[in-house]
Amino acid sequence: GAGVSQSPSNKVTEKGKDVELRCDPISGHTALYWYRQSLGQGLEFLIYFQGNSAPDKSGLPSDRFSAERTGGSVSTLTIQRTQQEDSAVYLCASSLVFGFSGELFFGEGSRLTVL
Amino acid sequence: GENVEQHPSTLSVQEGDSAVIKCTYSDSASNYFPWYKQELGKGPQLIIDIRSNVGEKKDQRIAVTLNKTAKHFSLHITETQPEDSAVYFCARQGSGSARQLTFGSGTQLTVLP
Repeated sequence: GAGVSQSPSNKVTEKGKDVELRCDPISGHTALYWYRQSLGQGLEFLIYFQGNSAPDKSGLPSDRFSAERTGGSVSTLTIQRTQQEDSAVYLCASSLVFGFSGELFFGEGSRLTVL
Repeated sequence: GENVEQHPSTLSVQEGDSAVIKCTYSDSASNYFPWYKQELGKGPQLIIDIRSNVGEKKDQRIAVTLNKTAKHFSLHITETQPEDSAVYFCARQGSGSARQLTFGSGTQLTVLP
């Protein structure tokens, strides 16, 4: 499709397990973002990638969270040793470039539930 | 800091009435202020934005106003319709190395038929 694609759409895991969430941005978009949306909360910035530059990881809540972007396209957000407080919807977005008042195009999110 | 305060958290209006959502920010270097609408089960979608050199912008039933001196901006929806029911997020973008969008906590708007 032409939009941002995220998978899985839903993930239920047990506490302590690792999870991987995938984001396929819009073709040609150089900037990619991960946000977290907890129940009834706003969008919490996690990390962004811009082209080949080093990612801004300033929003990652702990060292259990990591993300990579391969070939300037697909990104994977990995959460190790999941905790119940990690339960949230993880949203990925992309934009043509970073930081120039451009529209962010969001995917539909990956809903993570940690039991 | 870079926080954005958004009020109210929930808002119910009768169909045809107006709805207003307000946001305040603290970083005077903020220069771009978008509004996103999130329907149930969907990702947020941009509906309108305003830059710091403009005081007001309108697009059909939606308008946004910006008061840079007071550091607040508002979303106005007139003649509300049931399809306007959604969660609305304000956001701001800074400058320099802090140009990622910072979002407000969201407003659940319900338009009652």
